[in-house]
Amino acid sequence: EAGVAQSPRYKIIEKRQSVAFWCNPISGHATLYWYQQILGQGPKLLIQFQNNGVVDDSQLPKDRFSAERLKGVDSTLKIQPAKLEDSAVYLCASSLWVGLDSPLHFGNGTRLTVT
Amino acid sequence: AQSVTQPDIHITVSEGASLELRCNYSYGATPYLFWYVQSPGQGLQLLLKYFSGDTLVQGIKGFEAEFKRSQSSFNLRKPSVHWSDAAEYFCAVGALNTNAGKSTFGDGTTLTVKP
Repeated sequence: EAGVAQSPRYKIIEKRQSVAFWCNPISGHATLYWYQQILGQGPKLLIQFQNNGVVDDSQLPKDRFSAERLKGVDSTLKIQPAKLEDSAVYLCASSLWVGLDSPLHFGNGTRLTVT
Repeated sequence: AQSVTQPDIHITVSEGASLELRCNYSYGATPYLFWYVQSPGQGLQLLLKYFSGDTLVQGIKGFEAEFKRSQSSFNLRKPSVHWSDAAEYFCAVGALNTNAGKSTFGDGTTLTVKP
């Protein structure tokens, strides 16, 4: 099966600019997650979707970050305006169902550098 | 809230030597524990998980981990390391009535393998 696809792989922007990341989960996976992974740290959950609905966005900085999942499949994560501290790898993951026993499948991430 | 500590930021071992990566967790109830591996430029891949039962769990790529409740630990081991094992390893803890995507990740241990 095809894995989780993310694009772009790399993005360099200046602070105050906007940026968007795209994720295509594994076919049939109902649950989709976006994580922020700052250098030297583990992934931190930003938002969780179940189909096209938001389940948990409590850790999403909503003044600048937004995310949507179109038709319960692809998802985009946007940052506007970007700050220096947003430099990180943004990981997308999907799972077949919601539950501790449903394995996460991660994409290769988008590395964002804000200058 | 749960937390994870990986005391070793960086470990170097010789190829063919044994490996043990430490993980300590904090959680008030029965923990759900995971180990993931992240190769450079890639997403995380699940190595193994512990939910209940036998405290010694086997995973992929020849890895195993042992859950020790008295020590709040879930250390990862491999008897003979291969050069391809060089990567970053993350321990994660999940909470009851949540899902794998909401796990709390440690900050990782980088493994270097010497020829």
